[in-house]
Amino acid sequence: ETGVTQTPRHLVMGMTNKKSLKCEQHLGHNAMYWYKQSAKKPLELMFVYNFKEQTENNSVPSRFSPECPNSSHLFLHLHTLQPEDSALYLCASSREGAPGADTQYFGPGTRLTVL
Amino acid sequence: DQQVKQNSPSLSVQEGRISILNCDYTNSMFDYFLWYKKYPAEGPTFLISISSIKDKNEDGRFTVFLNKSAKHLSLHIVPSQPGDSAVYFCAASGRYSGGGADGLTFGKGTHLIIQP
Repeated sequence: ETGVTQTPRHLVMGMTNKKSLKCEQHLGHNAMYWYKQSAKKPLELMFVYNFKEQTENNSVPSRFSPECPNSSHLFLHLHTLQPEDSALYLCASSREGAPGADTQYFGPGTRLTVL
Repeated sequence: DQQVKQNSPSLSVQEGRISILNCDYTNSMFDYFLWYKKYPAEGPTFLISISSIKDKNEDGRFTVFLNKSAKHLSLHIVPSQPGDSAVYFCAASGRYSGGGADGLTFGKGTHLIIQP
């Protein structure tokens, strides 16, 4: 398996459910990101992890809880979500620490529907 | 307030002609810019990037131009091919000179349609 993978690809959940999204990168990167793309809106950054440490939380509600156990895996734990949280959730990774910027590589996303 | 703007939601171009996609930004701290391409049901795919120390970067059929004084960049695709039909996102970051992981700020995207 190469690149950035995300599971599940589609998820339907009720407002009282607890579920988790999983992301895995096979690129040897050390930074990982969660983005949200709602209908007719640009991709919005949610969380940044650099060497397993969370370095940015972009004012995301606490019903979204990220977890980064190592540089290759990133989770997004979901609980008591609202219908307006329905969106495409994208994971990305990049190689940080080298001089200059680097490019973020994205997974295919999880299409989440909250009923 | 959107810091990265793509003012054309869609663009239709004939096959073989040049496609020009535009992007404007407002944050003068941005110093690294990227273009991504996205097909339905897939994640964005990196196309090409440019840092603020350059005004042009070319990769095959794709060229990105940066005008810092106007805070404007454009992506040129020559010649346009049917497989280029997709949504194109402009993205920016302010970390090129400082290092460290940072998120990207995206525009809303432009849907490019290549007509045969």
